[in-house]
Amino acid sequence: DTGVSQDPRHKITKRGQNVTFRCDPISEHNRLYWYRQTLGQGPEFLTYFQNEAQLEKSRLLSDRFSAERPKGSFSTLEIQRTEQGDSAMYLCATTPWTDTDTQYFGPGTRLTVL
Amino acid sequence: AQTVTQSQPEMSVQEAETVTLSCTYDTSESDYYLFWYKQPPSRQMILVIRQEAYKQQNATENRFSVNFQKAAKSFSLKISDSQLGDAAMYFCAYRGGGADGLTFGKGTHLIIQP
Repeated sequence: DTGVSQDPRHKITKRGQNVTFRCDPISEHNRLYWYRQTLGQGPEFLTYFQNEAQLEKSRLLSDRFSAERPKGSFSTLEIQRTEQGDSAMYLCATTPWTDTDTQYFGPGTRLTVL
Repeated sequence: AQTVTQSQPEMSVQEAETVTLSCTYDTSESDYYLFWYKQPPSRQMILVIRQEAYKQQNATENRFSVNFQKAAKSFSLKISDSQLGDAAMYFCAYRGGGADGLTFGKGTHLIIQP
């Protein structure tokens, strides 16, 4: 257990519904990353925050996706109008300001869109 | 854009033997970091070992070591005295000198034969 938690662990939804995932970082980890991992692939970078500021967004992050990190603590990732292609594992990772080279991953949220 | 290639979808090794996982990458940057992450079945991804590109000495962590060939853009992972607990997906990852997210390869599934 790395200390990064994600909720829920599994989510099944119908196409067109909105879903929201939460990531709770290790205390005092100022950088937070979101990745998406589809079956048989490595994780793909979506976006990252330094404290509450969202500093980079991948082109994979379509306008149906939005991420927030109010107060620089937990983060949420929302997907609006879900599509079957959104089915994947969504991973959160955080890094401490003392060691920005090492990312600590959470267990992920597995999303299934029916 | 940086790319990471893992050419071995699956590797199998006898317990107590040594196995080497291959990784190549493409980048135009001179300052970057390379990582090997381990993802056991249904468990969190954890960092195995990392290498800073400016360091000529290969990184070592107990039974895990890397062969970093900067000119060839190669970064292989050697696991000595393989143990049953080493069975997992292994991902090679790249990060540029800035605070970008990681770029992962597709992974190598490592099987340990008892």
